[in-house]
Amino acid sequence: EPEVTQTPSHQVTQMGQEVILRCVPISNHLYFYWYRQILGQKVEFLVSFYNNEISEKSEIFDDQFSVERPDGSNFTLKIRSTKLEDSAMYFCASTTSGTVLTDTQYFGPGTRLTVL
Amino acid sequence: AQRVTQPEKLLSVFKGAPVELKCNYSYSGSPELFWYVQYSRQRLQLLLRHISRESIKGFTADLNKGETSFHLKKPFAQEEDSAMYYCALGRSFSGGYQKVTFGTGTKLQVIP
Repeated sequence: EPEVTQTPSHQVTQMGQEVILRCVPISNHLYFYWYRQILGQKVEFLVSFYNNEISEKSEIFDDQFSVERPDGSNFTLKIRSTKLEDSAMYFCASTTSGTVLTDTQYFGPGTRLTVL
Repeated sequence: AQRVTQPEKLLSVFKGAPVELKCNYSYSGSPELFWYVQYSRQRLQLLLRHISRESIKGFTADLNKGETSFHLKKPFAQEEDSAMYYCALGRSFSGGYQKVTFGTGTKLQVIP
């Protein structure tokens, strides 16, 4: 069964550094999402992406964050200048369509980001 | 605004005992509710959705609009049910995407 993959599994960075988290969605999927989960807290929606555009972003997704689908297979989340509070597990997800009635979000295994 | 509440962070039950994981939601429209499960060292995966009215791995969940609840139940817990369970509310948008709001999760621990 096809799966969403994410790299790296764990990223350690210094505060103020840029990080890029990578995701490879399932190949025939068209809608892509990033979520984050701070340790001990709930999974929070960050952004949805379709047709090379952001469909919606949460208040968490400020100017420090950006997403890109650079080559038709990868889907990346960039944090320009990391802060301590960006430390979290970041999940990528993808779906074939935009409707929750018939479609399921398939999640990647997550990237644990640690900002020192 | 949509909100999902799971009041229990941890639920411990003995093997063979009934399980009920509580979930309440707040949403003004017609909700699409789900349960996701995350086993140790594995990814989040969909367990069941209310619209399917199905039983997966012995789990069922009934949407109660009057009580705005979507509790997850299983009559006899198994050790392999030990995991984190997340209740979630999904919405589809006219812009062609979906948004899922998760609860804080309940860790189910089944004691042998």
